[in-house]
Amino acid sequence: AQSVAQPEDQVNVAEGNPLTVKCTYSVSGNPYLFWYVQYPNRGLQFLLKYITGDNLVKGSYGFEAEFNKSQTSFHLKKPSALVSDSALYFCAVLSSGGSYIPTFGRGTSLIVHP
Amino acid sequence: EPEVTQTPSHQVTQMGQEVILRCVPISNHLYFYWYRQILGQKVEFLVSFYNNEISEKSEIFDDQFSVERPDGSNFTLKIRSTKLEDSAMYFCATTDGGGAQPQHFGDGTRLSIL
Repeated sequence: AQSVAQPEDQVNVAEGNPLTVKCTYSVSGNPYLFWYVQYPNRGLQFLLKYITGDNLVKGSYGFEAEFNKSQTSFHLKKPSALVSDSALYFCAVLSSGGSYIPTFGRGTSLIVHP
Repeated sequence: EPEVTQTPSHQVTQMGQEVILRCVPISNHLYFYWYRQILGQKVEFLVSFYNNEISEKSEIFDDQFSVERPDGSNFTLKIRSTKLEDSAMYFCATTDGGGAQPQHFGDGTRLSIL
């Protein structure tokens, strides 16, 4: 079985400050990890993924995420938040040795204040 | 950039009626998925479809649901006899390969059951 936890329903940050959106996961086997962003009335949009290799993954719009195997985490980060980053963020996981159907977290609402 | 297109954007239906939600995948994509999202919350997997047959389905995807690709272009989700709890956003997603390929989502159909 695979699962994802996003412990924060909402994250508030001031524009220009660094942001972190947390994600922890549980899989049997090696994880494939993804972050997606959802703007109002839109579908999910792929940001970045970790498959193997370097633990720090860079993605779209200046976002990056760090894979930490010992803590089973894949936190999303950005050095300097923009108001336009305000959206719903979803972490997803699937197991390299299992079904290729991702399990999504419950989502974290990011609010960036001007 | 190619997009997944879903129609209609909003469907209002009386309980007990049949609905068909339509999706036009990205042209070279081979794997198709339906998800639902209730009130902007967790994204729930319904079904995956490859090579003209269902690959996997969740517990949500019961006998009231069906999928098909009637004309080699559209990918449809049919709900035979809708219930109030079927009210949700329904998203189609596609990939050009299985495994670790990111999914491309349409903007969804908002289904409201009265």
